[in-house]
Amino acid sequence: QQPVQSPQAVILREGEDAVINCSSSKALYSVHWYRQKHGEAPVFLMILLKGGEQMRHEKISASFNEKKQQSSLYLTASQLSYSGTYFCGTELNDYKLSFGAGTTVTVRA
Amino acid sequence: ETGVTQTPRHLVMGMTNKKSLKCEQHLGHNAMYWYKQSAKKPLELMFVYSLEERVENNSVPSRFSPECPNSSHLFLHLHTLQPEDSALYLCASSQELGQGYEQYFGPGTRLTVT
Repeated sequence: QQPVQSPQAVILREGEDAVINCSSSKALYSVHWYRQKHGEAPVFLMILLKGGEQMRHEKISASFNEKKQQSSLYLTASQLSYSGTYFCGTELNDYKLSFGAGTTVTVRA
Repeated sequence: ETGVTQTPRHLVMGMTNKKSLKCEQHLGHNAMYWYKQSAKKPLELMFVYSLEERVENNSVPSRFSPECPNSSHLFLHLHTLQPEDSALYLCASSQELGQGYEQYFGPGTRLTVT
């Protein structure tokens, strides 16, 4: 049961904000967020646990709405280094992560 | 640098060849994973190992054969592959196998089957 990510792509100017959403039709235990730059490994950003707090990685934060089974990733005051593809991975009742199709973020000067 | 290395980074092989992909993690983790990343598709879990024991084979064709000789090393042996197997193969590790553990990925091996 792969989560649905939106939008597929977003283009920003430095300093602008953006929100990426990750939705599941199943009850989630956790949501993981990763960023992958071209030709590089996906890098772990943060994990949101059921009943847990909003998390933050530098100026990137995320929340988890258990009622909606949706997580949102907030890119605040975007920097050029934020460019890449962002993936959410959702965890149900075991260790397996199901990944979304990704959101490509392009930050321009 | 995520603490997970993969070799080779690029591989071109014919359909009759046999090759192996190698993954090594320097994090002291007990669980390791193989994923396939194809263009325009989400990451697909292939195999999972915990303390060198395979705990998951996600309906992967037998032309892919994993091996985990110890908790730091993971191999993916390839033979008689098909062109549709061309993809980026990613290795990952986590501290333990269970809920709530983040996974750390290697840079991947870009495989092209001709």
